Amino acid sequence: ELKVEQNPLFLSMQEGKNYTIYCNYSTTSDRLYWYRQDPGKSLESLFVLLSNGAVKQEGRLMASLDTKARLSTLHITAAVHDLSATYFCAVDQDAGGTSYGKLTFGQGTILTVHP
Amino acid sequence: NAGVTQTPKFRILKIGQSMTLQCTQDMNHNYMYWYRQDPGMGLKLIYYSVGAGITDKGEVPNGYNVSRSTTEDFPLRLELAAPSQTSVYFCASSYTLGGGNQPQHFGDGTRLSIL
Repeated sequence: ELKVEQNPLFLSMQEGKNYTIYCNYSTTSDRLYWYRQDPGKSLESLFVLLSNGAVKQEGRLMASLDTKARLSTLHITAAVHDLSATYFCAVDQDAGGTSYGKLTFGQGTILTVHP
Repeated sequence: NAGVTQTPKFRILKIGQSMTLQCTQDMNHNYMYWYRQDPGMGLKLIYYSVGAGITDKGEVPNGYNVSRSTTEDFPLRLELAAPSQTSVYFCASSYTLGGGNQPQHFGDGTRLSIL
């Protein structure tokens, strides 16, 4: 059974600081997704990582995937208040070949950015 | 372009009642999903569908049923509601062609309480 663990679960940051959220998963997979959720809202797709070594960047966020280590990271650079949200990683349950998009989600990391 | 639309947004049910959560998408996506999100947790897959007439169970299907008679609609039915089904329910869709490499688009959710 695929298990996905994120850490930290809670992250309080000062504006302007850098930090990294980690996503570990237990079985082989080469498809990993990062989503953002604002309180009481739906999920918004941030990044799709589809191969070992994949790196994607958008603004102050950068995500990477190491399939050998079964690890993805979401790096935040020079945090701003608008980044406050819950961040989820999700791993495709089908490793290689045809995927049906069956995702296992991590518990989420609640990020709060303070002035 | 409405994306993924869920109705109702909120509902309170009594134990033992039944209801159907509606989900429709206008993006001509072939894959659709139902998740539940319990407080402070990640999403768990209930059912999914890879096209009209084809559905399959996810991680937590007990107490739920689905149907997919058209590409656009993917209703989720709760039979004999139980307090353990109190949750936020999200419907999602994605377009895939030979591989699950597209992010899922989520609806705004249905907040369901069973009392």
